[in-house]
Amino acid sequence: GEDVEQSLFLSVREGDSSVINCTYTDSSSTYLYWYKQEPGAGLQLLTYIFSNMDMKQDQRLTVLLNKKDKHLSLRIADTQTGDSAIYFCAERGGYQKVTFGTGTKLQVIP
Amino acid sequence: DTEVTQTPKHLVMGMTNKKSLKCEQHMGHRAMYWYKQKAKKPPELMFVYSYEKLSINESVPSRFSPECPNSSLLNLHLHALQPEDSALYLCASSQGQVSTEAFFGQGTRLTVV
Repeated sequence: GEDVEQSLFLSVREGDSSVINCTYTDSSSTYLYWYKQEPGAGLQLLTYIFSNMDMKQDQRLTVLLNKKDKHLSLRIADTQTGDSAIYFCAERGGYQKVTFGTGTKLQVIP
Repeated sequence: DTEVTQTPKHLVMGMTNKKSLKCEQHMGHRAMYWYKQKAKKPPELMFVYSYEKLSINESVPSRFSPECPNSSLLNLHLHALQPEDSALYLCASSQGQVSTEAFFGQGTRLTVV
């Protein structure tokens, strides 16, 4: 089966950059996603990258994909207190199935 | 309209009750999903509907019964649930068979007493 792993927790100071990492095992992944989930809320799609891309930038967000190592990262520049949430990476493999990572709780210290 | 709307937002039900969760999207998406999320865990896929037909059932117990009456609506019928079924139930939709991003609803917080 597919496994998607993330570190559980990250703490950064406001204004610093945050880097959240993710590793996956399914080599047939076509799309990889980053979702944000605030307490008690649903999932908000932040950004996604197609598997034949290395990098995607979207305002404060930069996604890096190393397909050889099956490693995905999300960099948030100028992290704000409103960025505090749980971040899930996810990969879409075959049959439309999206598998989520274990989630990283980002804590932003003012 | 890029929203997936789920109702109700919160639901408390007894183990002998029958209830339904509803999900609606008007983005013309032809794939719709149900996920279950326990506290501090990632969402886990339950069902996938593609073009209104059930295409994936992740070995979900029969006390959960999905239904897709049309391309905009997805229901999850609940009957004889257990307390361990208490969770956040998330609906999502995506454009279809081609891999694209999925849009999620805000979820229904279900408590089984």
